[in-house]
Amino acid sequence: EPEVTQTPSHQVTQMGQEVILHCVPISNHLYFYWYRQILGQKVEFLVSFYNNEISEKSEIFDDQFSVERPDGSNFTLKIRSTKLEDSAMYFCASSRVTNEKLFFGSGTQLSVL
Amino acid sequence: EDQVTQSPEALRLQEGESSSLNCSYTVSGLRGLFWYRQDPGKGPEFLFTLYSAGEEKEKERLKATLTKKESFLHITAPKPEDSATYLCAITPGSNTGKLIFGQGTTLQVKP
Repeated sequence: EPEVTQTPSHQVTQMGQEVILHCVPISNHLYFYWYRQILGQKVEFLVSFYNNEISEKSEIFDDQFSVERPDGSNFTLKIRSTKLEDSAMYFCASSRVTNEKLFFGSGTQLSVL
Repeated sequence: EDQVTQSPEALRLQEGESSSLNCSYTVSGLRGLFWYRQDPGKGPEFLFTLYSAGEEKEKERLKATLTKKESFLHITAPKPEDSATYLCAITPGSNTGKLIFGQGTTLQVKP
């Protein structure tokens, strides 16, 4: 079965540094998402992306966050200046259409020191 | 405010002991309700989608049902490999595919 691939699986960074998380969604999917899960808490929506633009973002997704689809296969999340509270598991997801099941990657565990 | 609440937070069962997990929701306009399974350190894995009250879906030992205010995930004769966190999520009226998750029910099935 096709799957969403995320790299790296773990990322350790210093506070204030920029990080880029990488995702390869399923090839025929059109909708792309980032979610995050702080340890012991709910999975939280960050942003949805369709047709090369953001279709919705949450309050968490402030000016420090950005997303990009630089080519036909990759989908990235950039955090410009990381904070301690950005430490979380970040999940990429994709779907063929909206209101249909999302396929999630295995996540990138981000630790900000 | 769109919201999902799951209960119980944790559930311990003996192998073969059937039970149900609850997901109650408040939403301005429900487009779909989803059940996912999450294993430790992994991403959510899709189980079911329900779109309208009265709908039911089944897969092996799992059966999901939906009413206008809540959904149940029934687990019949569970096995230790069913141990995981079960997540409920809704898509509200905004047609962007965004999911709003509950906090999950962590199920442990002992042999």
